Amino acid sequence: DQQVKQNSPSLSVQEGRISILNCDYTNSMFDYFLWYKKYPAEGPTFLISISSIKDKNEDGRFTVFLNKSAKHLSLHIVPSQPGDSAVYFCAADGGSQGNLIFGKGTKLSVKP
Amino acid sequence: SQTIHQWPATLVQPVGSPLSLECTVEGTSNPNLYWYRQAAGRGLQLLFYSVGIGQISSEVPQNLSASRPQDRQFILSSKKLLLSDSGFYLCAWSHSGRTPQYFGAGTRLSVL
Repeated sequence: DQQVKQNSPSLSVQEGRISILNCDYTNSMFDYFLWYKKYPAEGPTFLISISSIKDKNEDGRFTVFLNKSAKHLSLHIVPSQPGDSAVYFCAADGGSQGNLIFGKGTKLSVKP
Repeated sequence: SQTIHQWPATLVQPVGSPLSLECTVEGTSNPNLYWYRQAAGRGLQLLFYSVGIGQISSEVPQNLSASRPQDRQFILSSKKLLLSDSGFYLCAWSHSGRTPQYFGAGTRLSVL
């Protein structure tokens, strides 16, 4: 059973607009969440993380929101740029050793 | 700064042949180390993790094994490859749990 779900396999956004990527999790014990960006044939690149003691974390154009009661987090990219086109993975920290549990990813396409 | 090296980038191996993928980290000591696999159209699945030399934990039963002969070296091996071992293999490191993991460039393994 998937513990981290990204229900939208793809998202298309116009350049300059906001991209919102969503992620749901099932295990209320998860207390640390991360977003990664991945280009084809490359390793994932860490973008931003959030601890469960916060509900928002911001880094430049990237903001992650966490709603613990809904077991939902989202990544906002504002403004979106064509270079943001990639697959975005949500991950949850599943234990004390840092075992990340990944969603299946959402492919973002930002059109000029 | 820390860097992670993973090689080879691409590998084509016949069924039944052995496998050895190597990963090394520079610029840090006593990192947590991880091996992941991404099958086609799937998310990243954790295969092994290590919190120290000679300490290996396996997340899923499989045809693969891992070893950590030195502090910053992590090796993924198989004695006899199966067709189902094909995929994109990624090595990662972190300082500890609940910190970001940083990934290598990955190895595309095709077993024919």
